Amino acid sequence: DVKVTQSSRYLVKRTGEKVFLECVQDMDHENMFWYRQDPGLGLRLIYFSYDVKMKEKGDIPEGYSVSREKKERFSLILESASTNQTSMYLCASSLAGGGLAKNIQYFGAGTRLSVL
Amino acid sequence: AQKVTQAQTEISVVEKEDVTLDCVYETRDTTYYLFWYKQPPSGELVFLIRRNSFDEQNEISGRYSWNFQKSTSSFNFTITASQVVDSAVYFCALSDLNTGNQFYFGTGTSLTVIP
Repeated sequence: DVKVTQSSRYLVKRTGEKVFLECVQDMDHENMFWYRQDPGLGLRLIYFSYDVKMKEKGDIPEGYSVSREKKERFSLILESASTNQTSMYLCASSLAGGGLAKNIQYFGAGTRLSVL
Repeated sequence: AQKVTQAQTEISVVEKEDVTLDCVYETRDTTYYLFWYKQPPSGELVFLIRRNSFDEQNEISGRYSWNFQKSTSSFNFTITASQVVDSAVYFCALSDLNTGNQFYFGTGTSLTVIP
């Protein structure tokens, strides 16, 4: 079974703090993604990565950065947390290339971040 | 531009009733994938089904069935004889082959099954 693990289920931070959200997958997937989920807005893509050290902006990258130094790990960084970044953050991974398994994204359990 | 619409924000049914969750999509691409995911209260999105744009056959998996109609750009999901364990938020998503990495999610439908 694919396993995507997010380091924290709940996190409380202060405005202005630097925040790291970590995600690890154990299936050697090339692609990894960070989403935020807000009521009434569904899932919105923040950043994704299709290879080590590669990253692409999603729909809402402002205020975030990412790091992918190893294939299995994808970190989301809030350089200076703000209250409007209070949200549920979901990490996902998927295989690249062809085949039936391509393109299905597998998700972690999420990190609920509160910025006070 | 790609877009997925789930017009039903919340649905409540009594256990054993059938329920259909609607999904309407927009895309200019002729080749694309459609997905359904389930998000139980634990938070993790669980993959349910993927359908590609060339395959309009309906699919049934136990109590779950999916009706894909390109003519109406819809990919609806029916749960037969609903159970309390079906209570969750359900998301429909679209991915095209040109930007295959990126998914476009609907806003989700929250289903509550009342015992």
